[in-house]
Amino acid sequence: NAGVMQNPRHLVRRRGQEARLRCSPMKGHSHVYWYRQLPEEGLKFMVYLQKENIIDESGMPKERFSAEFPKEGPSILRIQQVVRGDSAAYFCASSQQTGYMNTEAFFGQGTRLTVV
Amino acid sequence: SQQGEEDPQALSIQEGENATMNCSYKTSINNLQWYRQNSGRGLVHLILIRSNEREKHSGRLRVTLDTSKKSSSLLITASRAADTASYFCATGIIQGAQKLVFGQGTRLTINP
Repeated sequence: NAGVMQNPRHLVRRRGQEARLRCSPMKGHSHVYWYRQLPEEGLKFMVYLQKENIIDESGMPKERFSAEFPKEGPSILRIQQVVRGDSAAYFCASSQQTGYMNTEAFFGQGTRLTVV
Repeated sequence: SQQGEEDPQALSIQEGENATMNCSYKTSINNLQWYRQNSGRGLVHLILIRSNEREKHSGRLRVTLDTSKKSSSLLITASRAADTASYFCATGIIQGAQKLVFGQGTRLTINP
């Protein structure tokens, strides 16, 4: 049973370009979470999705950032017109049940975005 | 401010010693989870303790939870060099939807 798969592992974009980060949850998991981590810091919640639904996007910037989790295929975190401040590691996690009541979240290895 | 805050921010001990890390939080929680992150890697789930539990063990790990003080501790006994990593506590809370809120982490260094 493969774990949470994120790709690419490393992504370099020039300012103004678009970045698309992909996350395939663990088999059987229908809940996906995206977090951002700056160097030497903890993880900041961005968005929580279920299949075809955004449940909580309170941590996601209102502009330039969007996320989706279609019925088929991976979850996508999309950052338009990237700026240097978007450089960070972006982690995806998935879980099986509703939220985190009594189950752990499994994390991917992350995508390290560098904006030059 | 952060929901979960770890203490200390950094800890350096000798191999074989015990390492204790603390986590404080502010709001009511469903559960509290500890994760480990090796440099440049993803997070590995260590242990989950529910809000109605007080102590939990897993191998060399011991986690306590005091909901009256809104705090938790992670004890690693007989530390090894391979335990060198950052350790994060994450609180499972309900803010509209359920999600994990992470602290800043404790950077643990085990010296051989």
